[in-house]
Amino acid sequence: QKEVEQNSGPLSVPEGAIASLNCTYSDRGSQSFFWYRQYSGKSPELIMSIYSNGDKEDGRFTAQLNKASQYVSLLIRDSQPSDSATYLCAVNKPGTGRRALTFGSGTRLQVQP
Amino acid sequence: AAGVIQSPRHLIKEKRETATLKCYPIPRHDTVYWYQQGPGQDPQFLISFYEKMQSDKGSIPDRFSAQQFSDYHSELNMSSLELGDSALYFCASSSGLAGINEQFFGPGTRLTVL
Repeated sequence: QKEVEQNSGPLSVPEGAIASLNCTYSDRGSQSFFWYRQYSGKSPELIMSIYSNGDKEDGRFTAQLNKASQYVSLLIRDSQPSDSATYLCAVNKPGTGRRALTFGSGTRLQVQP
Repeated sequence: AAGVIQSPRHLIKEKRETATLKCYPIPRHDTVYWYQQGPGQDPQFLISFYEKMQSDKGSIPDRFSAQQFSDYHSELNMSSLELGDSALYFCASSSGLAGINEQFFGPGTRLTVL
């Protein structure tokens, strides 16, 4: 079992709809959670970070964290064709110091015009 | 805003050759991370440095080494290259302020081993 699990997709949504991306993680000691967007052949771009249970909103993006269920999600409202990309869920390895990220395999999102 | 700089952007090498990848972190970021991403795979952590000391080690082959210099830039040295080393190599940096470890990625170096 991978430490960070995501549905590989593709997740296809029509333009203007809400896209919902999900991620589960196995290490209960994980404390920091991140969503990155990656276009093909490009580098991961940080979209959201979340550390506390609940919701965190930034523009069209909302990250949700439920540590009891070891579940992180990303909602994208008013999806645009430019949102079509692979979305990587990343978790900070537990422990002190500047820890590395463990990534899920990514969910490919396709927004249909 | 300044971003992470990586050089070269593309590199083609033969098997058994050596390669050096360079990374310049965002100004005032003190931690550098190296990740390897193979085709169709997620990024895999290799090694990191905090204040010029090795901070964490992942799945870095013994053929690879890295260091962080006094100006905080980092270099990844790869020797005895193998076909399987062909991948995108990303450097990321973070400042770790307030315990937040947001990592920002550079554009990457695409290494092709022939």
